[in-house]
Parts: sequence; C-alpha cells; structure tokens
Amino acid sequence: QKEVEQNSGPLSVPEGAIASLNCTYSDRGSQSFFWYRQYSGKSPELIMFIYSNGDKEDGRFTAQLNKASQYVSLLIRDSQPSDSATYLCAVPPRGGSYIPTFGRGTSLIVHP
Amino acid sequence: DADVTQTPRNRITKTGKRIMLECSQTKGHDRMYWYRQDPGLGLRLIYYSFDVKDINKGEISDGYSVSRQAQAKFSLSLESAIPNQTALYFCATSDLGRSDEQFFGPGTRLTVL
Repeated sequence: QKEVEQNSGPLSVPEGAIASLNCTYSDRGSQSFFWYRQYSGKSPELIMFIYSNGDKEDGRFTAQLNKASQYVSLLIRDSQPSDSATYLCAVPPRGGSYIPTFGRGTSLIVHP
Repeated sequence: DADVTQTPRNRITKTGKRIMLECSQTKGHDRMYWYRQDPGLGLRLIYYSFDVKDINKGEISDGYSVSRQAQAKFSLSLESAIPNQTALYFCATSDLGRSDEQFFGPGTRLTVL
C-alpha cells in the first residue's frame, strides 16, 4: 500500500518568510509528484508538478524532490497571507494502481 | 469554459433519506472520481470510473453507490443517509496520458441530521 505522509500542522510563518512544507512517500518507484493547494471550503487546485530530482521553480514556489530519501518539499518564498491554505502532496497512479494517493495535507497560516 | 460542476453545492437532509449528488464535466476526460473529505482525514476515494462501463470501488464505498450515465456525468448516491456521512464531497476528473492531474469540482457540503 502506497503511503504519502505529511505533517498536519498548522505551520505558522510571518508574512515575507519562507514556508517549507514536507512530504514523504513509501513507494520507492514513484516517479512524479503533485502539490495541490486547498483554501478552506474550496476544492484542491494543482500548483506544482515535479518528476525529476532537484528543484523546480515557478514564481514564488519551489518544489524539491529527493528520490534517494523519498521526500518532496514545497517552498514558498515571500509568504503572503493569501498563501494561507492546506497543501496536499499527491502521487499519481503507477504500476498496478489506477488511482492517485493523497497525503492528508499540511495547514499553512501566514500571519501579517 | 471546460469545467467540472457539482450539484447541489449544499444539502441538508435527514437520516434515512436517499440523496443523489451529481457531477458533470466538459473537459472530455474519461476518468472520473468521487471523494469525501473530513477534517483531519484528508481526501478519501469512494468510487472511480474509467469509462461508462467501468465502475470501481474506492477505499470507503460502503453506504454509497454510483452511476456513470455518460462520459461527462458521474452521480453518487446515498441510499439511506446516516449522520457520519456528513462531509464535503468532491468530484474529480483526470486524463490518463497527460500528467494525471486531478481536476476537482467545487464540492458539495452534505449534512445529515
């Protein structure tokens, strides 16, 4: 059974700081990963997709993948109160599985 | 705009009632999913369908049933609602062969009294 683990938080950071969100996964064969953002009461939306070791940057967001250690991180630079949300890590289907695996999410609070 | 829509957006019902949640999509995706979300438990998969003739149970299918009426429509039914089915329900679609990104509908907040 594939597992995706996230600290539920909340992670509280001041405005302008770097927020670091972490995710570990059990399936060593996983090749790609998603980060979704979910505002309270709203649906998740994809913000980052990473499939190779190293960093992927998109604006203020950087995803970091370390396959040897089986973790993937999301860094948010210059955090804003509007970044306050729950961030879900997910692994797409692979092998004999046809469904994605979601972590339970980390709640981020950015305070002014 | 290509989209995933859900009806109703909010529903309050009583124990024992039958209720149907509907999902429609204009993305042209074959794969459709129903999830429920409870505080602290994350997204849990109820049912999924890869085409009109393919229906599969997820991890928490007991008490639920689904119907895939067309490629674009996937309905979730609670035959006899109970209070612990109170949750936020999401429909999602994906297109295998691209990134497997899940596209979520806006959600249905269901309360069973």
